[in-house]
This record gives sequence, C-alpha cells and structure tokens, in this order.
Amino acid sequence: NAGVTQTPKFQVLKTGQSMTLQCAQDMNHEYMSWYRQDPGMGLRLIHYSVGAGITDQGEVPNGYNVSRSTTEDFPLRLLSAAPSQTSVYFCASSKPGTPQETQYFGPGTRLLVL
Amino acid sequence: RKEVEQDPGPFNVPEGATVAFNCTYSNSASQSFFWYRQDCRKEPKLLMSVYSSGNEDGRFTAQLNRASQYISLLIRDSKLSDSATYLCVVNIRNYGQNFVFGPGTRLSVLP
Repeated sequence: NAGVTQTPKFQVLKTGQSMTLQCAQDMNHEYMSWYRQDPGMGLRLIHYSVGAGITDQGEVPNGYNVSRSTTEDFPLRLLSAAPSQTSVYFCASSKPGTPQETQYFGPGTRLLVL
Repeated sequence: RKEVEQDPGPFNVPEGATVAFNCTYSNSASQSFFWYRQDCRKEPKLLMSVYSSGNEDGRFTAQLNRASQYISLLIRDSKLSDSATYLCVVNIRNYGQNFVFGPGTRLSVLP
C-alpha cells in the first residue's frame, strides 16, 4: 500500500493564481481531511469528508474548496491564492468505527504564495 | 484560550534523561486522545493513543486525567532518535472526525 500520497511536494504561486493540491489514499478509508500547518500554530483543519459525496468545513475553510467524488481522492482547490495561504498542507485519512481511530498523513505540500 | 495547549519548549536533554510533556484541553466532551510525533519537515505520525487507565509502550508512558483535562507523555532513557516535535491531539467526537492538534513541543536529545 502506498498509504496517503500528495502532489505536488512544492509549489510557488503568484497572488491570484488558482491551483489544486492532490491527495489520494489506497486504504479504503472513509474519512479524509486537509490541514494546514503554520509555525507556532499547530495543524488546523481546513475541510474534511466523511465519505464520497460528503464534505464539510473545518476551522479555516475560507479560500479553499474541496470535493470527494471517489473514496480514494480528496483534492483541495485554492481559488485565488493569497500570501496568507503560504503554508504546509497535509492530507490525512482514517477509518471510523473504532474509538481510537488513527489518522494517517501524507508527506505534505509546501506552498509559497508571492 | 486554545483548545489544546502544550508546554512551549523546546526541551534540550542529554541522552538517557527522562523527559515529560504536558498537555491540557478545554473541551470536556473530548473523547479520544493521542500523542503524535513529527520530525522536521515531515508529516505527523501516531506515537501512541492515550487510554483512561494510562498506557505504556516501551520507553513511552502516556497518562490521561479527565477530571483535570490533562494528558502527559513520559519518555525514559531518551535516545538521539527521539529528537522531534511531539503533538498532543484530541478527538472531540467519538467515532467522528474532529481532531484538534496542539502546537507541539520540540525535543532535542543531545549526545
């Protein structure tokens, strides 16, 4: 199993550009999430999905869109990039149904918005 | 007040030392608790879940005090390879998807 994969690893954007961060998992996990990590802030939840066709907002959803057309894929779209979106983005997946469900993280995407 | 708070760190300790990390959470409805480890420029990885009765995994011991809303992690006989940032994580919904991460405490184990 590849686990959780993310592409690209690095990206530089100009203000106003749009892009999609890709995330895929091959563990048949129902739950998938997107986080951003900024220095001193910890990971903050952007959007999450509890299954194909179902998404919901997390703590910091503004400026981002998601969709979940398949169990495997959960892309994150930046509609119009802003310097405040410079961060490291992590995708995670987990399987519900147990009290101590574990999240598995992808390797992250480092985004710089100029 | 942040939902999950941790010791600010960094902690610099010699090899072989015992080090303890503290974490507090504000939501009394929190259901499950974890410690994650994050190496520099890498993704977080689960270190251990934290159970109400406390649990141990080799040199690592985790404790939970629900009344005080406090979680701890003890590392005995520190190794150089333990150097990392330790994240306290709380899941507010049981069987659900609302993981809240603390800011992390950085540990450097020195030779």
